[in-house]
Formats: sequence, structure tokens, C-alpha cells
Amino acid sequence: KAGVTQTPRYLIKTRGQQVTLSCSPISGHRSVSWYQQTPGQGLQFLFEYFSETQRNKGNFPGRFSGRQFSNSRSEMNVSTLELGDSALYLCASTPRVGKNTEAFFGQGTRLTVV
Amino acid sequence: GENVEQHPSTLSVQEGDSAVIKCTYSDSASNYFPWYKQELGKRPQLIIDIRSNVGEKKDQRIAVTLNKTAKHFSLHITETQPEDSAVYFCASGDGSARQLTFGSGTQLTVLP
Repeated sequence: KAGVTQTPRYLIKTRGQQVTLSCSPISGHRSVSWYQQTPGQGLQFLFEYFSETQRNKGNFPGRFSGRQFSNSRSEMNVSTLELGDSALYLCASTPRVGKNTEAFFGQGTRLTVV
Repeated sequence: GENVEQHPSTLSVQEGDSAVIKCTYSDSASNYFPWYKQELGKRPQLIIDIRSNVGEKKDQRIAVTLNKTAKHFSLHITETQPEDSAVYFCASGDGSARQLTFGSGTQLTVLP
């Protein structure tokens, strides 16, 4: 069974631009969560999608948004990029909504804003 | 919201010794506590987790203990090996694991 796949692996963008990252969950997993990992702030929850709907949202500005498609693949978008958005963006998928599940992470997308 | 504190931030041990990493959480509603290992340049990987209905769980050289009254949980690694060197993160959440709050991480170095 293929794991969680994130594309692209690396991105370099200029301040003010926007970026879209993609996450394909493990087959059969319907929930996708996004996290931002930085040396200073650690791993922080961005948002979670299930059945094409955002279910939970972390404490990030509105420049960070996402969506989920009917095949459970998810994208996140960051608009008007700032230097501080440079980070490793990780997505995680879980099998189902409910209890007693675990989160499986992708390799991440390393975003550098210059 | 939930806050998870993790200590120590760095830990060096001799090969064969034990390593202990401790975390505390603030939200009494949290009932799922996973531990992730992240090697340099790689994804976080779940190594063990515990749910609030048990106090201890063990998997070979790794064990986790949970004290719900005190709101703290710990990771114990025995007979450490150089390949255990990595950053370890504790986290808390509800049982669905869809929204996890992470500790700040512990850089474990096992010296040969």
C-alpha cells in the first residue's frame, strides 16, 4: 500500500507570490490534516479536511487555505507569501472519522520564500 | 487550546543506556498520546501511542506511561542504539488523531 504522498518535495518562491501544495492520502483514508514545521515553532496544526469539508482549523491567518477533492486528495494554498512562511509543510492522513485511529505523515514539502 | 510541553530539548546517552523523555499537557479532554520519531530529512513516524484507558504500553525496547491525574506522559527507550538517534515528538489529541498538538521535540543522540 502506498504511503502518503506530497508534491512537490521542494519549492522556492518569492515574497508576495502564492503557492499550492498537494497531498495524496493512503488509499482508503478519508481525512487529511496539514501541519507546518519550523525550527522556532515546531509542528503546528493548520487544518483538517474530511469529505471535502474543513473540519478543524488551527491558528493561522487567512492566507493559508486548503481544499479536498472527492478522491480525498488535498491541496493547501498560501497566498501573498512572507519570509516567515518558509517551512516544511507536512500532511497526515487517517483511516476514518472516529476513535482509535492514527495519523500517517507524508515526506513533506520544503517551502523556501526568498 | 491545548498546550504540550516536552523536556528535555536535547538528550545524550551512551549506547546501551536508557533514555526518558517527558511531556505534560493541559487539556483534560485529551485522550490520545502518540510519540513520533523524525530522522533528519524524513517524515515523522509513529513509534508508539497510548490512549487514556491504559496507564502503560510497551513495544520491545520502547514504552510509554501515562498519568492522567497529573497530565503527563513519558517515553522510555531501553538499551539504546545509535540508530535511535533522532528527534522525538510527543503529541496529544482526541482519539481520532486528526488534530494533534505537538511538543517542541527532543534531539536524542546515542553515543557509540
